[in-house]
Amino acid sequence: AQSVTQLGSHVSVSEGALVLLRCNYSSSVPPYLFWYVQYPNQGLQLLLKYTTGATLVKGINGFEAEFKKSETSFHLTKPSAHMSDAAEYFCAVSNSNSGYALNFGKGTSLLVTP
Amino acid sequence: DTEVTQTPKHLVMGMTNKKSLKCEQHMGHRAMYWYKQKAKKPPELMFVYSYEKLSINESVPSRFSPECPNSSLLNLHLHALQPEDSALYLCASSQDRGRSNEQFFGPGTRLTVL
Repeated sequence: AQSVTQLGSHVSVSEGALVLLRCNYSSSVPPYLFWYVQYPNQGLQLLLKYTTGATLVKGINGFEAEFKKSETSFHLTKPSAHMSDAAEYFCAVSNSNSGYALNFGKGTSLLVTP
Repeated sequence: DTEVTQTPKHLVMGMTNKKSLKCEQHMGHRAMYWYKQKAKKPPELMFVYSYEKLSINESVPSRFSPECPNSSLLNLHLHALQPEDSALYLCASSQDRGRSNEQFFGPGTRLTVL
């Protein structure tokens, strides 16, 4: 079985501050990990993904995430928040046992204040 | 072209109506997906088509009937829906169902069942 836990359903940061969205996963086989962003009334857009290789993954819009196997974590960070980063963020995991179907976390709503 | 299109954007239907949702991609992807997303919740997988064959049905009620006429097109036929079926229906596609293939999402159809 595989699952994802996103700590904090709501996160609020000031514009220019560090963004940290937490994701922990559970997987009995090597996982593939994804972060998606969803703006209001839109579909999901891939920010970044980890499959194999380098554990620090850089994505779009200045986001990055680090795969830490020992901590079973894949936290999403951005050094400086912009107002346009306000959205819903979903962490997702897939693996061979699930036929590579995505299993999403419950999501974290990011609020950016001026 | 890295776009998944969905029509219509909005749909309001009565419980006795029959309607269809349409999804199209021209990226040459061979896996296509239907998700249901309720407000403030993550997407829930409904169906997966791989090479135009239904490969996953997540115990979805028979009032939802998927169809994949060709590799670019995915339909979801709706009949005798219930008000609790009101949600955002998202279509996605990926190159295939392999391990690292990211899913590209459409903007969704907002369905309201009266």
